[in-house]
Amino acid sequence: DTEVTQTPKHLVMGMTNKKSLKCEQHMGHRAMYWYKQKAKKPPELMFVYSYEKLSINESVPSRFSPECPNSSLLNLHLHALQPEDSALYLCASSQLPLAGGNEQFFGPGTRLTVL
Amino acid sequence: GESVGLHLPTLSVQEGDNSIINCAYSNSASDYFIWYKQESGKGPQFIIDIRSNMDKRQGQRVTVLLNKTVKHLSLQIAATQPGDSAVYFCAEIRKTSGSRLTFGEGTQLTVNP
Repeated sequence: DTEVTQTPKHLVMGMTNKKSLKCEQHMGHRAMYWYKQKAKKPPELMFVYSYEKLSINESVPSRFSPECPNSSLLNLHLHALQPEDSALYLCASSQLPLAGGNEQFFGPGTRLTVL
Repeated sequence: GESVGLHLPTLSVQEGDNSIINCAYSNSASDYFIWYKQESGKGPQFIIDIRSNMDKRQGQRVTVLLNKTVKHLSLQIAATQPGDSAVYFCAEIRKTSGSRLTFGEGTQLTVNP
């Protein structure tokens, strides 16, 4: 199984809502990532979990809260988002260390719209 | 600042032709360079990577060339097919940046039948 799955595929939420994005992989990867991608732009790293511990937070606003319940699951909890947070949210996983031969596998993303 | 970027935002080719997608980088400390393909509605998909101590690496129908002198990376796709239509991103990994993959701006490749 070389797949990263993400749910939901699409999400529309109001600025006062609380929602969560979910990501799952069964490749035994010990690093998992959240990226944000705006239209026609490259993915931007948000968070990295290494061995289920948060290792990188790219100064992401606290309205985004990541969680890694176990080595296969990664969540992104959303609260009080702004319309400018509308984007494609991508999850990825990889073996460690991140280097040649240990490429990142990406999920299909969740298309988020904040009204 | 340091960046990974692309020369051309769009590229249109005829089916069967060879495609060349270019990428410029400015950080000599990059350890690996990777090419990703992103089709509409999908996440990026790994194509090929190259270590910084190599000049060339070949895969199936794809070749990556690295010119460290001018800090230039290219992806060559042989006999381009309609299924190759996508956005292509180059990306880099630096040992000093931990588990960070830094993407350059993408190139939209369109293959005309």
